[in-house]
Amino acid sequence: DAGVTQSPTHLIKTRGQHVTLRCSPISGHKSVSWYQQVLGQGPQFIFQYYEKEERGRGNFPDRFSARQFPNYSSELNVNALLLGDSALYLCASSSTTGLGQPQHFGDGTRLSIL
Amino acid sequence: AQKVTQAQTEISVVEKEDVTLDCVYETRDTTYYLFWYKQPPSGELVFLIRRNSFDEQNEISGRYSWNFQKSTSSFNFTITASQVVDSAVYFCAFKSYNTDKLIFGTGTRLQVFP
Repeated sequence: DAGVTQSPTHLIKTRGQHVTLRCSPISGHKSVSWYQQVLGQGPQFIFQYYEKEERGRGNFPDRFSARQFPNYSSELNVNALLLGDSALYLCASSSTTGLGQPQHFGDGTRLSIL
Repeated sequence: AQKVTQAQTEISVVEKEDVTLDCVYETRDTTYYLFWYKQPPSGELVFLIRRNSFDEQNEISGRYSWNFQKSTSSFNFTITASQVVDSAVYFCAFKSYNTDKLIFGTGTRLQVFP
């Protein structure tokens, strides 16, 4: 079975631009979460969606938004990019929500802001 | 607020040595879950082990073992007979019951030399 897939793998943008990152969860998984990992740090929680509804939001500005589609895939959108948005963006999926099942991560999208 | 601390920034060992990675967490929750993830240079976070707050039984799985002690809020992870392929950054993570938000520590970089 395919794992969590993310696209694109790498992306280079300039300040002020907009970016859309995409994620396909493991087949059968209905929960998708997004994390930002700055170099040398642990991942920081951005959003969680379950059954197309937002279930959690981390401490990120309104420039960050996301949505989940009927097939449970998800998009993360970031507007007005800043240099500080340069990071590895990780998507994770799990079969349900709120219990102890582990989240399974994709390879991430490495976003560089020039 | 919950917090995860991994005091060891980097550990270097020679192949076949045993190595223990430390993790200390802070929470007022009574029901929660603890995880260890491995992040190789490729970037993907790989789930290793999980423990819930009601189960302090320590276990061994292959070369991995873990020591969960609620009294000291610690969840340490041991690799026995380390191998070069174990070289990676290891993250300890905390999750409260009824949420999918993972709170990560800052990670411990393990280098295993031949």
